[in-house]
Amino acid sequence: KAGVTQTPRYLIKTRGQQVTLSCSPISGHRSVSWYQQTPGQGLQFLFEYFSETQRNKGNFPGRFSGRQFSNSRSEMNVSTLELGDSALYLCASSLRQISYEQYFGPGTRLTVT
Amino acid sequence: GNSVTQMEGPVTLSEEAFLTINCTYTATGYPSLFWYVQYPGEGLQLLLKATKADDKGSNKGFEATYRKETTSFHLEKGSVQVSDSAVYFCALRSNDKVIFGPGTSLSVIP
Repeated sequence: KAGVTQTPRYLIKTRGQQVTLSCSPISGHRSVSWYQQTPGQGLQFLFEYFSETQRNKGNFPGRFSGRQFSNSRSEMNVSTLELGDSALYLCASSLRQISYEQYFGPGTRLTVT
Repeated sequence: GNSVTQMEGPVTLSEEAFLTINCTYTATGYPSLFWYVQYPGEGLQLLLKATKADDKGSNKGFEATYRKETTSFHLEKGSVQVSDSAVYFCALRSNDKVIFGPGTSLSVIP
């Protein structure tokens, strides 16, 4: 069974631009969660989608948004990029809503210059 | 609020040494507890889990016991290998949210 895939793996953007990251969960998984990982703040929960609905949200500004499609694939969008948005963005999928076992993708490394 | 505290790294051990990485948590109710491992350049992998007090999670020679009385979930391995070099994250799940500790970097030298 294929694992969680994230595209692109690496991205360089300029401050003020916007970016869209994509995550394809494991086949059959209906929950997708997004995390931001930085050296200073560690792993922080962004949001979780289940059956195309946002079920949980972390403490991030409204510039961070996401959506989930009927095939469970998810996208995350960050508008008006700031230097502090540079991070590794990880996507995790699970069978059910924040199930006991989450399977993580390799992440998208975003650099904002 | 809920939180997870881990021992500060980096931790450097010789091959075949005994490993302990401390993890304590603060949570209301009865959280589930996890250890994840992140190898260089990769995402996180679930290493082991425990869903109730006194449960012991184990995988690949690693073990951790859910201790409610001390609110701890320390990770142990009897004999580490160079291939165990990675960052280890303790995490809890409560109220449908997962909270991660800051991670502990482990380097195992031959």
